[in-house]
Amino acid sequence: DIQMTQSPSSLSASVGDRVTITCRASQSVSSYLNWYQQKPGKAPNLLIYVASSLESGVPSRFSGSGSGRDFTLTISGLQPEDFATYYCHQSFSLPHTFGQGTKLEIK
Amino acid sequence: EVQLVESGGGLVQPGRSLRLSCAASGFTFDDYAMHWVRQGPGKGLEWVSGISWNSGRIGYADSVKGRFTISRDNAKNSLHLQMSSLRAEDTALYYCVKGLTMIVETSSGLDVWGQGTTVTVSS
Repeated sequence: DIQMTQSPSSLSASVGDRVTITCRASQSVSSYLNWYQQKPGKAPNLLIYVASSLESGVPSRFSGSGSGRDFTLTISGLQPEDFATYYCHQSFSLPHTFGQGTKLEIK
Repeated sequence: EVQLVESGGGLVQPGRSLRLSCAASGFTFDDYAMHWVRQGPGKGLEWVSGISWNSGRIGYADSVKGRFTISRDNAKNSLHLQMSSLRAEDTALYYCVKGLTMIVETSSGLDVWGQGTTVTVSS
C-alpha cells in the first residue's frame, strides 16, 4: 500500500499569510493526488484534484503542485474561513490512502 | 441537486454484521465510481472501499479486506457496504462518496460527500 505523509501535522498562521502544506507518497502516484478541506462537524470538501486542478467553486487562492512523490498545497492570502484541517489523498492505485491531516489554526 | 444520503448505521456488538446503504440522486449514477470513507472519533480520514462504475473493479483497505463487501445497484442508484465481523476499531462515521471518474485506479478526486452514518461497535 502507498503511505501518504503530510507535514506539518499542525500549523499556526495569521489572516493574510501564505501557507504551504506538503504531502509525500511512499512511491510514485504520478499526478493522482488530491487535496481536501474539512471543518469541524462537516464532510470534507474537494479543493484540488490530480495535483493542480482547482475544483469548481474553490477560491483561486488555493493551488496545488507536484508530481511523482512530492506535492504541495498552497493557500495565498489566508482568509478566516480557511482555518480547518487539510488532507491529501492518492487515487493512483488501490487501496486509496489519505495523509494523516494538517490542522491549520489561527495564530 | 447532487445528493448522497447514507443509512443503516447504529450500535452493534463486536462480531456482528451491519449493512450500510447510500441513495444517490441528481447525477447519472452509473457514470461514476463510488467509495466509502470513514472517520473514527477525533481521527483522520480513512478510505475503506471503492467500486468502479460497472462493479468491474473493487478495492478495499487492508483493515477491512475479507470482512467488508461493497456493492452497487445502478438500476436503483444505490451503493452498499456489507460489514461483518465488526470490531471496536470499526467505530466511525461512514461517508458515501462520489468519484470524479468512472474508474477507481488512476482516477481523480472524490467530489461529492454525504453527511455520513455513524457505526458504533460496542458490547
